Amino acid sequence: DAGVIQSPRHEVTEMGQEVTLRCKPISGHNSLFWYRQTMMRGLELLIYFNNNVPIDDSGMPEDRFSAKMPNASFSTLKIQPSEPRDSAVYFCASSPSELSEKLFFGSGTQLSVL
Amino acid sequence: AQTVTQSQPEMSVQEAETVTLSCTYDTSENNYYLFWYKQPPSRQMILVIRQEAYKQQNATENRFSVNFQKAAKSFSLKISDSQLGDTAMYFCAFMGTYNQGGKLIFGQGTELSVKP
Repeated sequence: DAGVIQSPRHEVTEMGQEVTLRCKPISGHNSLFWYRQTMMRGLELLIYFNNNVPIDDSGMPEDRFSAKMPNASFSTLKIQPSEPRDSAVYFCASSPSELSEKLFFGSGTQLSVL
Repeated sequence: AQTVTQSQPEMSVQEAETVTLSCTYDTSENNYYLFWYKQPPSRQMILVIRQEAYKQQNATENRFSVNFQKAAKSFSLKISDSQLGDTAMYFCAFMGTYNQGGKLIFGQGTELSVKP
């Protein structure tokens, strides 16, 4: 299996632009998670899906952030409009089920908002 | 709310020696999972070792072992025979079982440097 696949690996954009991060979970995994890593706040959960349904989005910082999972093999995290403070590494992770402790991380997307 | 604390922002060790990274956590749950993740400069999050709270025996994975003290809510990682490739950020993480749905709560990380 190729593991969790994220794209792009790096994204540089200007303030105010829309940014879309993409994730393909491991085939057969039912749960998907978006985490953000910053120097100030460390690693924090933004949102997670179970069977394509958003279960907990309490970590999403504000309305500029949105996440979708239109099918079991694809998810997006969108920031519109982007701001410099959104600069971070965004990780996607998937798990066989909501109750599994086994989490598999993608390689992350390094986002820089200028 | 659960919290995870790593009190050592940076550590260094000589190659082939042993180093211990500290982690404490706070929870009111009786059953949960604890993890150590390694993040090398490549950025990939790599699971090093996992401990289930109801198991008294400390987990081991080759050169990596933990000292799990449930009453003290302590979960330290020991790396034996340190290698240059062990240089990385190490994160301690907590996952509850009642239903946190795979939500990991991470500590702030310890940056480990292995020196030749």
